[in-house]
Amino acid sequence: ETGVTQSPTHLIKTRGQQVTLRCSSQSGHNTVSWYQQALGQGPQFIFQYYREEENGRGNFPPRFSGLQFPNYSSELNVNALELDDSALYLCASSPPTSGIGETQYFGPGTRLLVL
Amino acid sequence: DQQVKQNSPSLSVQEGRISILNCDYTNSMFDYFLWYKKYPAEGPTFLISISSIKDKNEDGRFTVFLNKSAKHLSLHIVPSQPGDSAVYFCAASGAGSYQLTFGKGTKLSVIP
Repeated sequence: ETGVTQSPTHLIKTRGQQVTLRCSSQSGHNTVSWYQQALGQGPQFIFQYYREEENGRGNFPPRFSGLQFPNYSSELNVNALELDDSALYLCASSPPTSGIGETQYFGPGTRLLVL
Repeated sequence: DQQVKQNSPSLSVQEGRISILNCDYTNSMFDYFLWYKKYPAEGPTFLISISSIKDKNEDGRFTVFLNKSAKHLSLHIVPSQPGDSAVYFCAASGAGSYQLTFGKGTKLSVIP
């Protein structure tokens, strides 16, 4: 069983540019969440996608946007990059659940540096 | 305002002893709690979880305790092993929302 994979592993952009990060969910998982982890901090929720629709959003501006595809893979797009966007971006997938709570399984992350 | 707090940035423990990592939360709507372990250059790895209807959950060497009245949970690792050395994150989610809110993490070092 393949776990969550992300690409690229790292990249460098300049301020004002746009970036697209990609994520493949774990097999059988239908929900994808994206998190931003700044240095020395815990991951912060950006948004979640379920059945190709945004299903919750954290405190991030609209220049952070996403997509989920029919095969449950996902993209995170960030426009007009700022220096503070430099961080580790984590994708997490979750299986269908009917109970309390949901366990999310994380990929290795994409490290973004904005110069 | 941090809703999930891990007040100890680091912890050192001798191999074979018990490691106790603590986490406090302020949001009474949280009803599901998780612990993740993170090695450098890797994503967080799920360790163990507990729902608010329980006060203890055990999985091998790992046990999580939940005290709802104190809004406190702890992760016990017994016995601690050098391979347990990593950053441990506490996370929580609330009723009707699958958003995970994380603490800042505690770096555990297990000394051989």
